[in-house]
Amino acid sequence: GQSLEQPSEVTAVEGAIVQINCTYQTSGFYGLSWYQQHDGGAPTFLSYNALDGLEETGRFSSFLSRSDSYGYLLLQELQMKDSASYFCAVRPYNQGGKLIFGQGTELSVKP
Amino acid sequence: GAVVSQHPSWVICKSGTSVKIECRSLDFQATTMFWYRQFPKQSLMLMATSNEGSKATYEQGVEKDKFLINHASLTLSTLTVTSAHPEDSSFYICSASSEYGGYTFGSGTRLTVV
Repeated sequence: GQSLEQPSEVTAVEGAIVQINCTYQTSGFYGLSWYQQHDGGAPTFLSYNALDGLEETGRFSSFLSRSDSYGYLLLQELQMKDSASYFCAVRPYNQGGKLIFGQGTELSVKP
Repeated sequence: GAVVSQHPSWVICKSGTSVKIECRSLDFQATTMFWYRQFPKQSLMLMATSNEGSKATYEQGVEKDKFLINHASLTLSTLTVTSAHPEDSSFYICSASSEYGGYTFGSGTRLTVV
């Protein structure tokens, strides 16, 4: 099976940098994705790592290390609107393309 | 970009009745549709995967007779919650994938069973 663990809550202040970690146990997957979800809304795609290393997309960056079974999402220059839940997710091999989500991290950005 | 329209956005129903939720891919062919359920402050839990024209594959612990999924065309999939009970109250989200990959999520349906 697959399990992806994230911290349940993170608090940071505006303008700061925050890192949300995702550690996983899975037999094999195509890549690690990150999604943002505001209360009552749908998940929106943020970033994807197919290979080890860092991917940068504006204020958001994501990192993957398959050898360490670990990834993270880095949010820079935090804004109040970044307060949301963040999920890591994997698409396991040979499972019909389904996406399995981590437990989610609720980020609170304070003034 | 790809858009998935999900309706209704919210619904309140009486215990024992059935509710149908629709997801339509507006500008692409959704070869695969995924249905998730999300309880407050929790993750998205996959309920089932459906491919157009085939029976849905349900995750362990999900009752297929209670959560009926139909994926009759490449642009429409429906989830019917039959004989709904208060414990079925949740946020239901669909996600569509085309043959080119990627996932597009619907806006979700908040179901409240009273």
